[in-house]
Amino acid sequence: EVQLVESGGGLVQPGGSLRLSCAASGFTISTYWMHWVRQVPGKGLVWVSRIESDGITTRYADSVWGRFTISSDNAKNTLYLQMNSLRDEDTAVYYCARDGGSSSSGYMDVWGKGTTVTVSS
Amino acid sequence: SYELTQPPSVSVSPGQTASITCSGDKLGDKYASWYQHKPGQSPVVVMYQDTKRPSGIPERFSGSNSGNTATLTISGTQAMDEADYYCQAWDTGTVVFGGGTKLTVL
Repeated sequence: EVQLVESGGGLVQPGGSLRLSCAASGFTISTYWMHWVRQVPGKGLVWVSRIESDGITTRYADSVWGRFTISSDNAKNTLYLQMNSLRDEDTAVYYCARDGGSSSSGYMDVWGKGTTVTVSS
Repeated sequence: SYELTQPPSVSVSPGQTASITCSGDKLGDKYASWYQHKPGQSPVVVMYQDTKRPSGIPERFSGSNSGNTATLTISGTQAMDEADYYCQAWDTGTVVFGGGTKLTVL
């Protein structure tokens, strides 16, 4: 079964760091583009970052550029999101998602259940 | 930055047709995808590349995209279709989501 399972969320103080993980099963992440998407409770979906199947090419939303880093470990078949200099507005449920098209016209065909990040003092 | 605009809410009676629009500059020149998101669940893609329906999505879901507007149409809407719907497109290598539309079936 194709599945994504996020972990690593929690409560962190402003300015702190957190690393999210997304374990994939049923497929190999090195053959797909992968994304992180977040949702503030009661608000809409917001794209955060993507990494291409080469494991090198990455893009970020302006709101997280320079603070977040997306990466992947092919041996562990796991996607990561390193989040530094966290702000109150980063509080959200974070989803990882597979890009079924794996191109700049792709779409997210597999989603995890999400992990909750709360930034608060 | 590129923006996609959706109506905050759409209401439809069971069995009727619901249309959810998504507007963006020259959106018709891009591919639009649509996601259904129910409370407590993960989003599900219901339409991609404007008109393609993923396996397992009912035939009552259809899509179109032309000019500045993409539209998700649900024919014979059922109570189970009540959810938030988001359009999505790409712009200069980044992903953009619309603000979402709450579909109420009443």
